[in-house]
Amino acid sequence: EAQVTQNPRYLITVTGKKLTVTCSQNMNHEYMSWYRQDPGLGLRQIYYSMNVEVTDKGDVPEGYKVSRKEKRNFPLILESPSPNQTSLYFCASRNRVILSEQYFGPGTRLTVT
Amino acid sequence: QQQVKQSPQSLIVQKGGISIINCAYENTAFDYFPWYQQFPGKGPALLIAIRPDVSEKKEGRFTISFNKSAKQFSLHIMDSQPGDSATYFCAAPLQGAGSYQLTFGKGTKLSVIP
Repeated sequence: EAQVTQNPRYLITVTGKKLTVTCSQNMNHEYMSWYRQDPGLGLRQIYYSMNVEVTDKGDVPEGYKVSRKEKRNFPLILESPSPNQTSLYFCASRNRVILSEQYFGPGTRLTVT
Repeated sequence: QQQVKQSPQSLIVQKGGISIINCAYENTAFDYFPWYQQFPGKGPALLIAIRPDVSEKKEGRFTISFNKSAKQFSLHIMDSQPGDSATYFCAAPLQGAGSYQLTFGKGTKLSVIP
């Protein structure tokens, strides 16, 4: 089954404690991205990757890091989480050609206290 | 920052009625506008998209209308059903730093009441 998986699905942590949210896709997609979803603000892109070892900032990259060492994986790293990073996070992937058809993961709800 | 402006923020429709959600954009890299549907606890999923060579596309009860001169596009849901209750996002392909990025509207929460 074609899918994007994220782990963990729920996470409660404290300010400053480094964390990683993993994302993996099994569709051999070149393009992957991370979004955060907040009430009233919709989906905002954090980082994206056009291919292995190629990453770039989205609209709200501050406080986040990413890496793309393998085509299927695109982890999101919060080195020093703060309460304003409490949000619902989605990973997405698509192939290089069909821009509109992005596949989203199930989401990770992060709470930073 | 280029934006996609979506309205209304929330919408309540009686079962069997028509739901209409509108989006406006500033500039796009090219004309290809998708709509995503998100149910509670799930990630968004592609619902329907319109290509640049048509002004309207219909799939079942869902129709996208596109007005290029006004830079607007809309989603119409005919005969709305309680199962259509979800959050809907429009998106447009905007020029990012060296590539095209899908930029999403802020979403419309649709509630269809029996």
